[in-house]
Amino acid sequence: QKEVEQNSGPLSVPEGAIASLNCTYSDRGSQSFFWYRQYSGKSPELIMSIYSNGDKEDGRFTAQLNKASQYVSLLIRDSQPSDSATYLCAVKRAGGSYIPTFGRGTSLIVHP
Amino acid sequence: GAVVSQHPSRVICKSGTSVKIECRSLDFQATTMFWYRQFPKQSLMLMATSNEGSKATYEQGVEKDKFLINHASLTLSTLTVTSAHPEDSSFYICSARGPSYEQYFGPGTRLTVT
Repeated sequence: QKEVEQNSGPLSVPEGAIASLNCTYSDRGSQSFFWYRQYSGKSPELIMSIYSNGDKEDGRFTAQLNKASQYVSLLIRDSQPSDSATYLCAVKRAGGSYIPTFGRGTSLIVHP
Repeated sequence: GAVVSQHPSRVICKSGTSVKIECRSLDFQATTMFWYRQFPKQSLMLMATSNEGSKATYEQGVEKDKFLINHASLTLSTLTVTSAHPEDSSFYICSARGPSYEQYFGPGTRLTVT
């Protein structure tokens, strides 16, 4: 089982819809969770971080964390074509390691 | 958010030569930086962790003598690809660790070895 799993997609949604991106992780003691956006040919950009159970909202983005079920999700409301990118989930495991583990990313396509 | 720069953004070199890539944190001090490599349509692959003032920690399968890393100050880490070959052509990305373990990525360096 991979440490951080994401559906590679592509996930295709119409403009204005809600895009839901999911990520599961294997280490139950994981503490920190991050979502990054990566446009084609560019480097990743931090969108959101979440550390406790529940929802965290920032503009059109909402991160949801459920540690009991070991998943973290990212919702994008009112999706725009400019949101089309690969979304990477990263999880910092418990313990001494401070290196987050990245998932392979989910490709999102928002079509007009 | 924090800003990380990389230089050069794009480099083309001949096989057998060495290439140095610089990674700088512009508005914060980064005791830890990371170097990644990404091939087309593939995920990020962590190459090494660079700690200021100490030797880098390389991931399994990454040749430390080929990919030399120097983290000489709190704002600068360098990656030197020695004796580059066409198979080293890739997108190299550095990142700096923030206070809550988030990572701030540089814009990346696209290396092409001919």
